[in-house]
Amino acid sequence: DTEVTQTPKHLVMGMTNKKSLKCEQHMGHRAMYWYKQKAKKPPELMFVYSYEKLSINESVPSRFSPECPNSSLLNLHLHALQPEDSALYLCASSHPEGADGYTFGSGTRLTVV
Amino acid sequence: GESVGLHLPTLSVQEGDNSIINCAYSNSASDYFIWYKQESGKGPQFIIDIRSNMDKRQGQRVTVLLNKTVKHLSLQIAATQPGDSAVYFCAESSHGQNFVFGPGTRLSVLP
Repeated sequence: DTEVTQTPKHLVMGMTNKKSLKCEQHMGHRAMYWYKQKAKKPPELMFVYSYEKLSINESVPSRFSPECPNSSLLNLHLHALQPEDSALYLCASSHPEGADGYTFGSGTRLTVV
Repeated sequence: GESVGLHLPTLSVQEGDNSIINCAYSNSASDYFIWYKQESGKGPQFIIDIRSNMDKRQGQRVTVLLNKTVKHLSLQIAATQPGDSAVYFCAESSHGQNFVFGPGTRLSVLP
């Protein structure tokens, strides 16, 4: 079983809704990541938090808003999404600078209607 | 055999045969590489890694080969099993920078 837990596993939301994706890890990792993955494509980096501070935002639209309340939790707040935002959203964590690689959660399958 | 579809290359192998999945990486400065396995409905799972000061590393039933001269990485799976069916991604990192994932290869194990 993965040591990175994501909730919910599936989410259907309308374009006017506000929802949040949640991610939790208890491995003591101080770097956490949000990735977006479309079907038959590799994961694409969205955000990186290092020591609870946002260090990378890969030009993600403002309708996606990340939050890192503490070293174990990572949220992704969603507002006014578009159907093309439908995808698998993956959370990952690692030691700083990715030493020993990333541990991924199972993802949240998001459908925007 | 191997086929390249519109988006995701697919490799089909008989159960019990060895599989070889290839990856060409782009950054000559990349110094750390990882192979991930992604099963349907799950996140990528770490399989094996290799650093640029090595050209071969072995795990349980898996071997990664690195050829820095031609910027090529391969994953060999011995005695392929049905549970090996998945999409395999290589990922590269340079000097602690974030990993960049390759396009992926779907491995299909035939009975």
